[in-house]
Amino acid sequence: QQQVKQSPQSLIVQKGGISIINCAYENTAFDYFPWYQQFPGKGPALLIAIRPDVSEKKEGRFTISFNKSAKQFSLHIMDSQPGDSATYFCAAAMNTGFQKLVFGTGTRLLVSP
Amino acid sequence: EAQVTQNPRYLITVTGKKLTVTCSQNMNHEYMSWYRQDPGLGLRQIYYSMNVEVTDKGDVPEGYKVSRKEKRNFPLILESPSPNQTSLYFCASSLRGLGGLSGNTIYFGEGSWLTVV
Repeated sequence: QQQVKQSPQSLIVQKGGISIINCAYENTAFDYFPWYQQFPGKGPALLIAIRPDVSEKKEGRFTISFNKSAKQFSLHIMDSQPGDSATYFCAAAMNTGFQKLVFGTGTRLLVSP
Repeated sequence: EAQVTQNPRYLITVTGKKLTVTCSQNMNHEYMSWYRQDPGLGLRQIYYSMNVEVTDKGDVPEGYKVSRKEKRNFPLILESPSPNQTSLYFCASSLRGLGGLSGNTIYFGEGSWLTVV
């Protein structure tokens, strides 16, 4: 119930294409869903986050789509660029009880020039 | 500059030799946490701290200890390291707790590569 399942494990997209990464969760107590971007040799950095009272959040080329009934959320990267090549983690957290981020297993994105 | 600083960044040690990985943040954050990152498993929480002298176990606390005597520091202690603790470790901090209305950004350090032989 504490798991967040992420797919795909790796993704290759051509420059200018759309990258889509999907995550699913079980625990309906989760109320905060961030996405993190990690470059090699660096720590994860917050990319964009959403709460379950909205179905979509957009920041520049990055969009989170959230489907509360299906308990799924996804990251869309529009006009993907080589500089977007990184590992992306979805995560979930809840406001009460166990104070932790539960991470997905990560997606390694490669955007080819 | 807002920072979470970990040391050492790279360490090779032998089984059973106690070691400490230090973590310090300069943002006056209440919440701090340690994660380990392993291939195919993502990041898993080891311990977290909601404030000074308040710590609790995460998902994988076995073989680790922590302390929070000062707000800015949250060291991770491996009393008797074993090869299965070979991993990439991240310290993280946030202004307050996680989720919901408090959904504060978590800042990660740059990681500490630990190899236990």
